[in-house]
Amino acid sequence: KAGVTQTPRYLIKTRGQQVTLSCSPISGHRSVSWYQQTPGQGLQFLFEYFSETQRNKGNFPGRFSGRQFSNSRSEMNVSTLELGDSALYLCASSLFDRAPEAFFGQGTRLTVV
Amino acid sequence: SQELEQSPQSLIVQEGKNLTINCTSSKTLYGLYWYKQKYGEGLIFLMMLQKGGEEKSHEKITAKLDEKKQQSSLHITASQPSHAGIYLCGAHKAYNNDMRFGAGTRLTVKP
Repeated sequence: KAGVTQTPRYLIKTRGQQVTLSCSPISGHRSVSWYQQTPGQGLQFLFEYFSETQRNKGNFPGRFSGRQFSNSRSEMNVSTLELGDSALYLCASSLFDRAPEAFFGQGTRLTVV
Repeated sequence: SQELEQSPQSLIVQEGKNLTINCTSSKTLYGLYWYKQKYGEGLIFLMMLQKGGEEKSHEKITAKLDEKKQQSSLHITASQPSHAGIYLCGAHKAYNNDMRFGAGTRLTVKP
């Protein structure tokens, strides 16, 4: 059974640009959550999607958005990139919302220059 | 500030030694998770604890959740270099998938 797949693995963008990251959950999983990990703030929750609906949102500015498709794949978008957006972005897949176990992808390392 | 406090922040042990990592919350935990992360990579699910007093083991790693469900410990017996990495505890904020994490404990195992 394939794990959680995130693409791309690495990305370099310039300030002011926008970026889209993709996450394919484990087959059969319907919930996808996104996290940002930085050395200073650690792992922080961005948002969670279930059945194409955003269920929860963390404390991030509106520049961070996401969506989920009918096949449960999810994308997150960051517009008007700032240097501080440089981070490892992780997505986690669960069978359903409020499922006890979450499985993480390898992450996308975003560097903003 | 972190809602989950992990200690120690880093740990260096000699191969073969036992070690314990702690995770403390000021609030009752609705499910406590332990993950391991290699630097810059994704999180690997280790264990989940839900009931007060619960204890689970996998190979040489044992995790416990105290009776009041506000503290968990992760114990590694006879550590090996393969145990090296960052160990993170995570917990749901109430019954949803908004998971909060501790700052992590960086474990180094010297051969």
